[in-house]
Amino acid sequence: DTGVSQDPRHKITKRGQNVTFRCDPISEHNRLYWYRQTLGQGPEFLTYFQNEAQLEKSRLLSDRFSAERPKGSFSTLEIQRTEQGDSAMYLCASSWGHGANVLTFGAGSRLTVL
Amino acid sequence: QKEVEQDPGPLSVPEGAIVSLNCTYSNSAFQYFMWYRQYSRKGPELLMYTYSSGNKEDGRFTAQVDKSSKYISLFIRDSQPSDSATYLCAPSEGSSNAGGTSYGKLTFGQGTILTVHP
Repeated sequence: DTGVSQDPRHKITKRGQNVTFRCDPISEHNRLYWYRQTLGQGPEFLTYFQNEAQLEKSRLLSDRFSAERPKGSFSTLEIQRTEQGDSAMYLCASSWGHGANVLTFGAGSRLTVL
Repeated sequence: QKEVEQDPGPLSVPEGAIVSLNCTYSNSAFQYFMWYRQYSRKGPELLMYTYSSGNKEDGRFTAQVDKSSKYISLFIRDSQPSDSATYLCAPSEGSSNAGGTSYGKLTFGQGTILTVHP
């Protein structure tokens, strides 16, 4: 098991373009989370899935953002019509079962919108 | 006011020093208190966590929670240059009924940048 994998690690795009990030969680983890982290700040919760069901979305997740987790395995986060304010590190995390909410994070996908 | 406040530092200490990192929070429903460490251009990695009030020790690290004052601390003894990183407190409301919306949702502090110099 290689942990949580995210791809691409860095994406540079022009304003108005669409981008998609992929996350492969730890295989036995049934919960998957997306967080966003801007420079000098802690990660902020965006959304989470239990298996294939998206159970919560933050109000930070505007209608330009969509996340999916088909078949409860990998997840994608798509940002449409990117804006410069979308520039951030997008972190994926996964966890299993009940209790302490021990999240394992991936290395993140850094987005730069020019 | 943010739900979790953390002094961003930066904090610079000599090797071997005792480091104290602190957070305050406002949500009384927080039950789990996590500490993550984040190296530059990496994702956060879990250091340790506590449940409710009290202390927990793991090697050179001690986590302390005082729910009455809503105060979270992480102490690092005999600090090493390899401890240089950003430290993030991340409390959580903890598990709820199946499908509960608070489940697994961490609220991170801003992070404290720590540098331990030889």
